Amino acid sequence: EDQVTQSPEALRLQEGESSSLNCSYTVSGLRGLFWYRQDPGKGPEFLFTLYSAGEEKEKERLKATLTKKESFLHITAPKPEDSATYLCAVQAEEYGNKLVFGAGTILRVKS
Amino acid sequence: DTGVSQDPRHKITKRGQNVTFRCDPISEHNRLYWYRQTLGQGPEFLTYFQNEAQLEKSRLLSDRFSAERPKGSFSTLEIQRTEQGDSAMYLCASAGLASEQYFGPGTRLTVT
Repeated sequence: EDQVTQSPEALRLQEGESSSLNCSYTVSGLRGLFWYRQDPGKGPEFLFTLYSAGEEKEKERLKATLTKKESFLHITAPKPEDSATYLCAVQAEEYGNKLVFGAGTILRVKS
Repeated sequence: DTGVSQDPRHKITKRGQNVTFRCDPISEHNRLYWYRQTLGQGPEFLTYFQNEAQLEKSRLLSDRFSAERPKGSFSTLEIQRTEQGDSAMYLCASAGLASEQYFGPGTRLTVT
């Protein structure tokens, strides 16, 4: 059973077309939920950490939110340079120090 | 802050050969992680060091894999008798007092 599930698997947007990516998790003792951006052939780049339900973080066109069961990454007026794979990961008491990742959402923004 | 570095960036090897990868973490970070990523999947945890002590190791990690961090600075990951199923991106991450893990660029391994 997957502990971290991301949807959709892939998303195509027109430039300026806002949307949201979803990350749902089924872990106990959540210590933190992390969002990363990954470009092809590169390592994941850290974006946000969320620790508790109701928390929100923003960076440029990205905003991450957290509930008790899921997190959303909202992308407002995206640009082609936002095209990447967005990964969600959780750190939980049952996992120790490691991160458990979802499979990611591939985002393509067309101009 | 020069970030996490990994060497080599790409490695092509024949099945049965041994390979070794190196990771240099961010200098003030005492925690170091190794992950493996295959196409279309998120990174999968392999092992974790705090300073020089290896504190966690995935049960999925076969005996052919070994990792060291002898002086609590850089780390090496060795794969013995490589198999085609070992082909993947091997990622290193480091963390300091905060929980965020910062990843290096990865080493792409291809086993032929």
